[in-house]
Amino acid sequence: GAVVSQHPSWVICKSGTSVKIECRSLDFQATTMFWYRQFPKQSLMLMATSNEGSKATYEQGVEKDKFLINHASLTLSTLTVTSAHPEDSSFYICSAGWDYHLYEQFFGPGTRLTVL
Amino acid sequence: AQTVTQSQPEMSVQEAETVTLSCTYDTSESNYYLFWYKQPPSRQMILVIRQEAYKQQNATENRFSVNFQKAAKSFSLKISDSQLGDTAMYFCAFNSDYKLSFGAGTTVTVRA
Repeated sequence: GAVVSQHPSWVICKSGTSVKIECRSLDFQATTMFWYRQFPKQSLMLMATSNEGSKATYEQGVEKDKFLINHASLTLSTLTVTSAHPEDSSFYICSAGWDYHLYEQFFGPGTRLTVL
Repeated sequence: AQTVTQSQPEMSVQEAETVTLSCTYDTSESNYYLFWYKQPPSRQMILVIRQEAYKQQNATENRFSVNFQKAAKSFSLKISDSQLGDTAMYFCAFNSDYKLSFGAGTTVTVRA
């Protein structure tokens, strides 16, 4: 149980375009979802926390207008990278959890974004 | 903010041998959770083991065990009988207020 999926697994886009990444909890209702960014051979950095039906809470230094997060349902959160640039190329990972069990998060397989 | 420190960027171990990864953390809280995650080349994050701070007994999962020293704020991971499939990056993580803080990671290579 507690399976999280991400789509797409790999996306290539041109500089200046926007790209959307989906994160889905397949067998549970995720009241909270988290978005991380990971550069090669580095650690995971939390970008934002989203609660279903509420605005996302962004970590310090993360541009809200650049990384739009929506958590419209208990099974789906989306991350939209707007006006992407090559420096946005990275590996994006989502995780999900539910109330009273948020000490443990369940991770998606990640999405590799390449901006040309 | 909590900080998690992994001081070993890389470790190499012979198959069937034992390797220990170190992790220290800094917090003023008394109740929290600690984790070790494995990230193989596929980059899927896999939970290896979890420790609740209020439990004194060290967690064990098959070949994986931890040495949790709360006073010293230390949380090391021991991998026994290392297997080739254990080759991965290992992250120590601290959970408080439902947010995970990760260490820099330790790359473990198991040699045949």
